[in-house]
Amino acid sequence: NAGVTQTPKFQVLKTGQSMTLQCAQDMNHNSMYWYRQDPGMGLRLIYYSASEGTTDKGEVPNGYNVSRLNKREFSLRLESAAPSQTSVYFCASSEAGGPYNEQFFGPGTRLTVL
Amino acid sequence: AQSVTQLDSQVPVFEEAPVELRCNYSSSVSVYLFWYVQYPNQGLQLLLKYLSGSTLVKGINGFEAEFNKSQTSFHLRKPSVHISDTAEYFCAVSGTGGFKTIFGAGTRLFVKA
Repeated sequence: NAGVTQTPKFQVLKTGQSMTLQCAQDMNHNSMYWYRQDPGMGLRLIYYSASEGTTDKGEVPNGYNVSRLNKREFSLRLESAAPSQTSVYFCASSEAGGPYNEQFFGPGTRLTVL
Repeated sequence: AQSVTQLDSQVPVFEEAPVELRCNYSSSVSVYLFWYVQYPNQGLQLLLKYLSGSTLVKGINGFEAEFNKSQTSFHLRKPSVHISDTAEYFCAVSGTGGFKTIFGAGTRLFVKA
């Protein structure tokens, strides 16, 4: 079991470029999440998908779009990158969307926008 | 609305000493509480969680936490730390009636030889 995998691990973009962060889980989980981690701010939820076919905004969705491609995969797209989007991005999944479920995290993507 | 406050951003401690990492929360509904650990250059992994029942929760690697409803706290403790415990620790809260988990800002634990 690979758990939650993310690609790429590192990325450098110029302002205005676009890119897609990929995430996949092999645990047959229903719910998936995208977070960003910034120093001193913990993790902030960008978007989540409670189940296949649904997506919802989190705390900081501006500048991002997501696609729940199937039960396994949940991608995050930056259409026009800005320096404020420099961050570490984590994908996570949980068995279901209930508040008592543990989340399993990927290793992260470190993104720098110049 | 829910919120989480981790009272210390950094905690330095010598090896084999005890440690307490403090977490306070606010919520208008029943809560579920979590501690996650993040080792350098890795994702987060669950240390322990409180859902209901006994207020003293034991987790992996010798950590434990106590849920105190009157103090709205969920402090993490370990009686004797190791160098390998050096990591960032996140307290998180979720609750009934909502979907999202709120994470604290994190506490960086440095264990010194």
